[in-house]
Amino acid sequence: KAGVTQTPRYLIKTRGQQVTLSCSPISGHRSVSWYQQTPGQGLQFLFEYFSETQRNKGNFPGRFSGRQFSNSRSEMNVSTLELGDSALYLCASSFQGFDTEAFFGQGTRLTVV
Amino acid sequence: GEDVEQSLFLSVREGDSSVINCTYTDSSSTYLYWYKQEPGAGLQLLTYIFSNMDMKQDQRLTVLLNKKDKHLSLRIADTQTGDSAIYFCAEKETSYDKVIFGPGTSLSVIP
Repeated sequence: KAGVTQTPRYLIKTRGQQVTLSCSPISGHRSVSWYQQTPGQGLQFLFEYFSETQRNKGNFPGRFSGRQFSNSRSEMNVSTLELGDSALYLCASSFQGFDTEAFFGQGTRLTVV
Repeated sequence: GEDVEQSLFLSVREGDSSVINCTYTDSSSTYLYWYKQEPGAGLQLLTYIFSNMDMKQDQRLTVLLNKKDKHLSLRIADTQTGDSAIYFCAEKETSYDKVIFGPGTSLSVIP
């Protein structure tokens, strides 16, 4: 059974650009949550998608958005990139919501220069 | 507000037991988790405990939950160098159905 796949693994972007990250959950899982991990702030919740609907949202500006497709794959988009957006972006896949077992991908390392 | 706290660093000798502590604030938490993160990797679920349990044991791992004090601990018996990693405590908040992570405890195992 394949795990959670995040692509790309590494990205370098310049300020002002936009970026799209992808997360393919474990087969059969319908919930995808996104987290931003930085040395200063730790792991912060961005949003959660379930059956193509955003179910929960963290305290991030509107530049951060996401969506989920009918096959449960999810994308997150960050527009007008800032230096502070440099982080490891992690997604977690679970069956119905972050329940007993939620599995993380290896993350996408975004560097904004 | 929601908050999960952990000490940031722990150093133990190989073969000793490690105890990583965590406190949380949401009394309505349903699940409490321990995750491990190795360098350059995502988070690996180690174990979880329901909020109505006091203890859970899984091989070398023992989780203790004190609901009254909102205190969670992870004990790793016979700690090995491969256990060196960052350990995150997390709580699932019923009211918001989202998971809040602590800052992580960096465990160093000295051979």
